[in-house]
Amino acid sequence: DVKVTQSSRYLVKRTGEKVFLECVQDMDHENMFWYRQDPGLGLRLIYFSYDVKMKEKGDIPEGYSVSREKKERFSLILESASTNQTSMYLCASSFRGTIQIGEQFFGPGTRLTVL
Amino acid sequence: AQTVTQSQPEMSVQEAETVTLSCTYDTSENNYYLFWYKQPPSRQMILVIRQEAYKQQNATENRFSVNFQKAAKSFSLKISDSQLGDTAMYFCASRDIQGAQKLVFGQGTRLTINP
Repeated sequence: DVKVTQSSRYLVKRTGEKVFLECVQDMDHENMFWYRQDPGLGLRLIYFSYDVKMKEKGDIPEGYSVSREKKERFSLILESASTNQTSMYLCASSFRGTIQIGEQFFGPGTRLTVL
Repeated sequence: AQTVTQSQPEMSVQEAETVTLSCTYDTSENNYYLFWYKQPPSRQMILVIRQEAYKQQNATENRFSVNFQKAAKSFSLKISDSQLGDTAMYFCASRDIQGAQKLVFGQGTRLTINP
């Protein structure tokens, strides 16, 4: 059974804190993604990675960074959390290549509140 | 850039009824994939159905089917014989076949199935 896990379901942080969100997948997927989900805006891509140590900016990378040191793990970092980063964060993974359609498998999400 | 639009923020139907969720998209590509994802309350996002743009036949998965109108760039989801377990947020998404394998999501439609 495929699985994407995220380190926390709920997280409360203070403004200015450094925040780490961890994502692990066990499907040997090359691609990993970080989205934020906000009401009325759907899912917006923050960063993605198609290989170890590789990263690409998504649509809203400002205020975030990522790290992918191992194939199965993709971390999202908020260097200095701000209240406008209060959101649901979703991690996803998929196979690379056009042969596979590239269905993305999602983690359960981390609801982050920044006070 | 690709865009995906879901114009129905919320919908509500009675159990056993048929419901159709709308989605329009815009892309300059000729080959791409389209997806409907389901996010049940407090549960992980899962793939409901996918459509390859080069296939004229509409995809079907049990009670779920799509009406894919390529010229109109429309991709609606029909749920037949709706069940209480269909209550969820539904997201339409698109992906180019070539290039970066990221998904572009619509804003989502919150569907409630009433007993």
